[in-house]
Amino acid sequence: QLQLQESGPGLVKPSETLSLTCTVSGGSIRSSNNYWAWVRQPPGKGLQWIATIYYSGTTYYNPSLESRVTISVDTSKNQFSLRLRSLTAADTAVYYCASPKYDFWSNYYLGYIENWGQGTLVTVSS
Amino acid sequence: EIVLTQSPEFLSVTPNEKVTITCRASQSVGSSLHWYQQKPGQSPKLLIKYGTQSLSGVPSRFSGSGSGTDFTLTINSLEVEDAATYFCHQTSGLHTFGQGTRLEIK
Repeated sequence: QLQLQESGPGLVKPSETLSLTCTVSGGSIRSSNNYWAWVRQPPGKGLQWIATIYYSGTTYYNPSLESRVTISVDTSKNQFSLRLRSLTAADTAVYYCASPKYDFWSNYYLGYIENWGQGTLVTVSS
Repeated sequence: EIVLTQSPEFLSVTPNEKVTITCRASQSVGSSLHWYQQKPGQSPKLLIKYGTQSLSGVPSRFSGSGSGTDFTLTINSLEVEDAATYFCHQTSGLHTFGQGTRLEIK
């Protein structure tokens, strides 16, 4: 069973850069049937997709965040990471790592998410 | 960006009743619409994929219908444990989510 675990700071200052890592266990980040993604949820609000990456390095970004975000993958550590720059209070949220499904044989991005991390709360405050 | 609009935003229902939540897309997403349940302090849980496809381990009282721009999540014979927020999610274009429907059990 695929498991994902986020790690990173719980408190970051405004204007600084947030770095989060997701460690994948129970499977390989080089899996041909999985993409890897970050999704966030401000307190009491809905879900917002941030970015997605395939182990080969193909990336997709939310246009509203693209100028501040970088997603990357480290296959040697079975991890993928998020960097979010120029933080403001509006970036305060629970950040989830997740794994959208991909059908490698038909080259079709399925996109639904069966596997999520438990989430980590990041507060942006001085 | 494809915008998903859920209705209603809040429901208060008694056990054993039937619940219907709708999700409308700003443009056609085909069948690429999925439903999740999220309980407080937990990650979302996938209930229905591709509009109508049930998942192993999800109670049979949960079902989905629709295609194109209009989708419905139905919960038959509501149970107390179904109290949660429900989200729709489209993957036809870049991922977007509905704003959520909070379901309270009376």
